[in-house]
Parts: sequence; structure tokens; C-alpha cells
Amino acid sequence: DIQMTQSPPSLSASVGDRVIITCRASQRIGTYLNWYQQTPGKAPKVLISVASRLQNGVPSRFSGSGSGTDFTLTINSLQPGDFATYYCQQSHSFPPTFGQGTKVEIK
Amino acid sequence: QVQLVESGGGVVQPGRSLRLSCEVSGFIFSNHAIHWVRQAPGKGLQWVAVISDDGSQKFYGDSVRGRFTISRDNSKNMVYLQMNSLRDDDAAMYYCAKGPYRKATMTGDWFGPWGQGTLVTVSS
Repeated sequence: DIQMTQSPPSLSASVGDRVIITCRASQRIGTYLNWYQQTPGKAPKVLISVASRLQNGVPSRFSGSGSGTDFTLTINSLQPGDFATYYCQQSHSFPPTFGQGTKVEIK
Repeated sequence: QVQLVESGGGVVQPGRSLRLSCEVSGFIFSNHAIHWVRQAPGKGLQWVAVISDDGSQKFYGDSVRGRFTISRDNSKNMVYLQMNSLRDDDAAMYYCAKGPYRKATMTGDWFGPWGQGTLVTVSS
């Protein structure tokens, strides 16, 4: 299975900050990388598919980039509703696998 | 709007069975694959299974293959997950999620929207 490693595991940030989360795959996956947001007690929500395609309704302050093995999720001007756990997921090879998550907390 | 609603979770003894259901509305159900993904308490996400639009393709994760069976009834907009021989490590919140394509292509797939989840507790 392809291993997905996110960093950092957690971070503290303030409203208005720019946040960057990285995701590394154990082998090359092209751009088959998705990002999800999960707020406490809620189901995950897909934010970005195929590395950089913003899903309908997702604010433009979220962006994704990368290819091969290294990917980033950037949140510009962090908003109160953005404090959540973020997961990357590869869809290059079976089975689909997730990173361990990055928890974004309020500083 | 698109809605997925899971049900059927509960407390079950190790070795016993449980059937989860996922009722779907707001889109053409028979045009989409449906996935199950689980999350153990305080842990990350683990993909469990997928079924294609017509039920002809079914794939499972290694940890559940041979014990879990996914199925669907397109006349009822329902997907099911039959879980047999449950183990302690099957305890989790189970989510169903819409796939973007008809077939269980896996490559280029993503999951969303998701239901609110149904909790499975395995305890003697």
C-alpha cells in the first residue's frame, strides 16, 4: 500500500494567518491526491481533488499544489471555521489510503 | 441537495454480525459508485469498501475482505455493508460517501459528499 505522511501532525495558528500543510507519498502518484477537512464531530468534506481542483463551494482561500510525491494544502487568511483536521488521500493505486491528519488549532 | 444517511450501528459482541445501511437522495443514485470509509475513535480515516453503479464491481480493504460484504439496491437508493465476524478493531464510525464516477475506478477517485456516520462498538 502507498503510505501517506502529513506534516506537521498539528499546528497552532491565528485567524488571518497563512497555513501550509504538506503530504508526502511513499511512491509517485502523479496528481492523484485529494484533501479533506474534518471539523470535530462532523464527517469529512472533500476540499480539493487531483491535487489542485477546488471542489464546488469551497472558498478560494484554499489551494492545493504538487505532483509526484510531494503535495501542499495552503489556506490563506485562516478563518474561524477552518480550525479542523485535514487529511490527504491518494487515489493512484488500490487501496486508497489517507494521511494521518493535521490538526489546525487556534493559537 | 445531496444527502447520505447511515444507520444500523450499535453495540455488538466480538464474532457477531451487523448490517449497516446508507440511504441516498439528491442525485441519480444509479450513476455513482458508493464507498464506505471508517474512523476508529480518535484515529484517522480508513477506506473499507466500494461498490460500482450497478453492483458488478465490489472491492474491499485487506482488513475486512472475506468478512464484510457491500451491496446496493438501486430501486431503493440504498447501499448496505454486511459485517460478519466482527473484531475489536472494527469498532469505528462508519461513513458512506459518494464517488464521482459510475465504476469503482479507484484511480482518480475521491469521496464526497459523506453521510454523518453510524457508530459501531464491538464489546463483550
